[in-house]
Amino acid sequence: AQTVTQSQPEMSVQEAETVTLSCTYDTSESDYYLFWYKQPPSRQMILVIRQEAYKQQNATENRFSVNFQKAAKSFSLKISDSQLGDAAMYFCAYRRIGGSQGNLIFGKGTKLSVKP
Amino acid sequence: DAGVIQSPRHEVTEMGQEVTLRCKPISGHNSLFWYRQTMMRGLELLIYFNNNVPIDDSGMPEDRFSAKMPNASFSTLKIQPSEPRDSAVYFCASSLVYLSPGINEQFFGPGTRLTVL
Repeated sequence: AQTVTQSQPEMSVQEAETVTLSCTYDTSESDYYLFWYKQPPSRQMILVIRQEAYKQQNATENRFSVNFQKAAKSFSLKISDSQLGDAAMYFCAYRRIGGSQGNLIFGKGTKLSVKP
Repeated sequence: DAGVIQSPRHEVTEMGQEVTLRCKPISGHNSLFWYRQTMMRGLELLIYFNNNVPIDDSGMPEDRFSAKMPNASFSTLKIQPSEPRDSAVYFCASSLVYLSPGINEQFFGPGTRLTVL
């Protein structure tokens, strides 16, 4: 069974600085998708960034980028120029391709605080 | 589009009562997911529908839980009888899944916070 591990329950960053959130996963599949979701206090789950495992190039969305290391099964999220609005829970998620395509498997989350 | 709509946003009930959570997916989406979020277990999939048909219900904890999708625009998650350990936030998400594999992003509703006393 696939698992997703986020080893940092809490992280803190100074406004305008850069922070990296860690995520590792375990799978025997060769193709799959990886995601980072943001959950602010409003509880809304917001997709931040996504990565197809068959693409070697790391995904980037404005201030958010990932470091995808397929061999190491690592998928970290880097937030540059951190803003107060980035404070939230961040969840790493895995989804296989094919079969029961829908099943997102989430890590336990990392709570990010941003200090002014 | 209004996004995924869930109701109620908050539900407080007493142990033993029946609880029904409702979800309206994004128009045109063909897949719907129910997730549960707790501090202990995090976010976990309960059940997944594709074209209104349940595909994977292995996450449904026990017979007290049931889910239906009578049409493409409505789904319910029912707990009968409810227990205090069912207290959690329940999310509904929808997606457009094509026959060929694709990123198929899931869009989440705002969640229903359920408290069972």
